[in-house]
Amino acid sequence: AQKVTQAQTEISVVEKEDVTLDCVYETRDTTYYLFWYKQPPSGELVFLIRRNSFDEQNEISGRYSWNFQKSTSSFNFTITASQVVDSAVYFCALSEPNYGGSQGNLIFGKGTKLSVKP
Amino acid sequence: DTGVSQDPRHKITKRGQNVTFRCDPISEHNRLYWYRQTLGQGPEFLTYFQNEAQLEKSRLLSDRFSAERPKGSFSTLEIQRTEQGDSAMYLCASSYDWGFSTGELFFGEGSRLTVL
Repeated sequence: AQKVTQAQTEISVVEKEDVTLDCVYETRDTTYYLFWYKQPPSGELVFLIRRNSFDEQNEISGRYSWNFQKSTSSFNFTITASQVVDSAVYFCALSEPNYGGSQGNLIFGKGTKLSVKP
Repeated sequence: DTGVSQDPRHKITKRGQNVTFRCDPISEHNRLYWYRQTLGQGPEFLTYFQNEAQLEKSRLLSDRFSAERPKGSFSTLEIQRTEQGDSAMYLCASSYDWGFSTGELFFGEGSRLTVL
């Protein structure tokens, strides 16, 4: 069965520290998509990144980077030099196009609450 | 360009009452989704529309739930005979997709339902 596990419920860091949010997934399919979303205190989920299962290249966008490893079924997210504005709940999600999950049916993890203190 | 808007933002009701939530997606978006999020959990998919057609429904969407998108623009989610277990944040999202979804959904701020 498909599942997304975010083992870290809450993380607290001091500004400028680097922090990594872990995501482990389970899927039946060889073709799938992985996502990270950010949910700030206002509640509105914001799309951060989408990755397909055939692309294991790491990606960097400013202070954000993502490490996708199929061998360990992990898709981890690192924030470098964290800032107070990074405080939010971060969700990892999975979509499986070959099992009816192709149309916006994202399977979310429980999220990791990140608190960045000044 | 305005984002996805949801109304009301918070609804308190007594068990057994009916409630309706409205979602106005981003205007050029053809797909609209409803998700439910309970405290400490990630969002769970409920249903989605492409234009006015409801194309997929989760098993979570019991017979007491009905969603519509009559003109392919705004959508309503109605819950009949509410139960305490319905207490949750109801999230609406929209996207512009044809065929396989990119998964880049634009979410509203949600409508929080509290059933007493």
